Amino acid sequence: GAVVSQHPSWVICKSGTSVKIECRSLDFQATTMFWYRQFPKQSLMLMATSNEGSKATYEQGVEKDKFLINHASLTLSTLTVTSAHPEDSSFYICSALSGTGGYEQYFGPGTRLTVT
Amino acid sequence: QKEVEQNSGPLSVPEGAIASLNCTYSDRVSQSFFWYRQYSGKSPELIMSIYSNGDKEDGRFTAQLNKASQYVSLLIRDSQPSDSATYLCAALSNFGNEKLTFGTGTRLTIIP
Repeated sequence: GAVVSQHPSWVICKSGTSVKIECRSLDFQATTMFWYRQFPKQSLMLMATSNEGSKATYEQGVEKDKFLINHASLTLSTLTVTSAHPEDSSFYICSALSGTGGYEQYFGPGTRLTVT
Repeated sequence: QKEVEQNSGPLSVPEGAIASLNCTYSDRVSQSFFWYRQYSGKSPELIMSIYSNGDKEDGRFTAQLNKASQYVSLLIRDSQPSDSATYLCAALSNFGNEKLTFGTGTRLTIIP
């Protein structure tokens, strides 16, 4: 149980284009999902908290117009990196809050984005 | 001041020995604690959660929580080379904030 998937697992795009990353909770409903970014050999950085049916809450310093988050259903949240630039190249990971009443977060496998 | 602190390591432990990973936290309202394992290039994987003072055992893993001293630890018995990874400690405040605060992680290497 508590499986979270992400798609795609890796993507290469050209500078200026947009990329959409999907995060799905496969065997539970997740009213809350989180999006993280991790650069090589660095800690996880929380980008935003995504709640089903409402606007995402972004962390300080994260541009909400650049990183569009949509949590349209209880099993799907998407992150769109708009007008991507090489500095956006990173490992993007989502997590979902377990629906069992506990506070465990389960992470997806991550999406490695490379912007050329 | 970091809210969750871990020794970055690397921590080297012989195969078969007990690996002990420690974490301290500064926010007294933190109520829930988690240990994640992250292999290089992969996403974190939940190993243990602990909510109450004392020990919680799951297979070779034991999590320990002492809220008075504000520390959490993870013991790995009979360490295996496959346990070599970075271990992340995370704290959650249950007061309407579901965000995890992560430590920077401890890199553990099990020596065959």
